[in-house]
Amino acid sequence: DAMVIQNPRYQVTQFGKPVTLSCSQTLNHNVMYWYQQKSSQAPKLLFHYYDKDFNNEADTPDNFQSRRPNTSFCFLDIRSPGLGDAAMYLCATSRDRGPLEAFFGQGTRLTVV
Amino acid sequence: QKEVEQDPGPLSVPEGAIVSLNCTYSNSAFQYFMWYRQYSRKGPELLMYTYSSGNKEDGRFTAQVDKSSKYISLFIRDSQPSDSATYLCAMMKPPSNTGKLIFGQGTTLQVKP
Repeated sequence: DAMVIQNPRYQVTQFGKPVTLSCSQTLNHNVMYWYQQKSSQAPKLLFHYYDKDFNNEADTPDNFQSRRPNTSFCFLDIRSPGLGDAAMYLCATSRDRGPLEAFFGQGTRLTVV
Repeated sequence: QKEVEQDPGPLSVPEGAIVSLNCTYSNSAFQYFMWYRQYSRKGPELLMYTYSSGNKEDGRFTAQVDKSSKYISLFIRDSQPSDSATYLCAMMKPPSNTGKLIFGQGTTLQVKP
């Protein structure tokens, strides 16, 4: 049974048109992460929530925002997608911060046209 | 300079071969070292993690850390076609209670029957 579910699996959006990616989890984990993984590159952390506490990475562009309305759901909003934002977006959860296992979803592959 | 360097491959081996996957890193403060496996169009899944220098074995997989050389390895014995995937090394960036993982770009492995 999937524990971290990302929707949609594939998303095509137009240049400059806002898009929202969704992540839900059934693990009741405190921490939820969003990573960006461009083709043949390492996943790069964008931000994470520890419960309701939002933690942005210093180099995450302002174009990327996130919301976590409750424990189970987390959203990634891209306000004005550019061609360079085409990537796989990975959601992950962990019970707590620290060296504990992070469970990843299957990812959403975003295409910008 | 990237904090974590990983040869992207691809690496192609015959079934039954011993596979060696490697990463180097620059930050001597890294404490936790992980290996994730990522099948095509799927999210990464944790294979193993180790703390500090030494070896850790799990079935056909052995993870090795040499902190003096800033070098980590994953060995796969008796490789199987089902091991064909991208293998990502990851490290926990201090302080370890942030949960932030720094990934290598992954090595693509193909095991041929």
